[in-house]
Amino acid sequence: GAVVSQHPSRVICKSGTSVKIECRSLDFQATTMFWYRQFPKKSLMLMATSNEGSKATYEQGVEKDKFLINHASLTLSTLTVTSAHPEDSSFYICSALRAGNEQFFGPGTRLTVL
Amino acid sequence: AQSVSQHNHHVILSEAASLELGCNYSYGGTVNLFWYVQYPGQHLQLLLKYFSGDPLVKGIKGFEAEFIKSKFSFNLRKPSVQWSDTAEYFCAVTARGGYQKVTFGTGTKLQVIP
Repeated sequence: GAVVSQHPSRVICKSGTSVKIECRSLDFQATTMFWYRQFPKKSLMLMATSNEGSKATYEQGVEKDKFLINHASLTLSTLTVTSAHPEDSSFYICSALRAGNEQFFGPGTRLTVL
Repeated sequence: AQSVSQHNHHVILSEAASLELGCNYSYGGTVNLFWYVQYPGQHLQLLLKYFSGDPLVKGIKGFEAEFIKSKFSFNLRKPSVQWSDTAEYFCAVTARGGYQKVTFGTGTKLQVIP
């Protein structure tokens, strides 16, 4: 299957700092990528849809100024958590949509905000 | 908007037992349906998908699922589970065509005892 990578896999930061997470589709071009947040013992919650060359589409309740998404190329989308707070600690997962409407998921990034 | 419910949160089975995980969705239109698996410490992987055609779908590792439109269900089955099937299983749905927003169920944690 197709490969999607995320970097970093784990990050610990201080409250108030910003953290950037990268999502790359390694062997296909993805005009659309998705960012999810996974809470303990709960399902994946879609945060936003990232479209190459245009603004991201955010789900209701997700602050676009706090979770900045940039999809600058067909293989890279970034999520920046700005002014992070402990409640932002979570597991963030990206996926890339390949032709045929199949999503391929990255391994996730564990963010811990102290 | 679509929604997905998975009734079993935690299932414990002995090896060789048969498995059936329930999934029901709610949506007024035509849908695509998916089952994803997340093995411990690994990222989400697609087990199988249904877009159209034969409602009995066969996936990897001996899994299958049956789409029953009248019941809005897409239950996952495997006749004989193995210890290596221990994982979390997520049912997901997208509306067919257009914006590919995926809605996930809350997941079912399967534990297979040797």
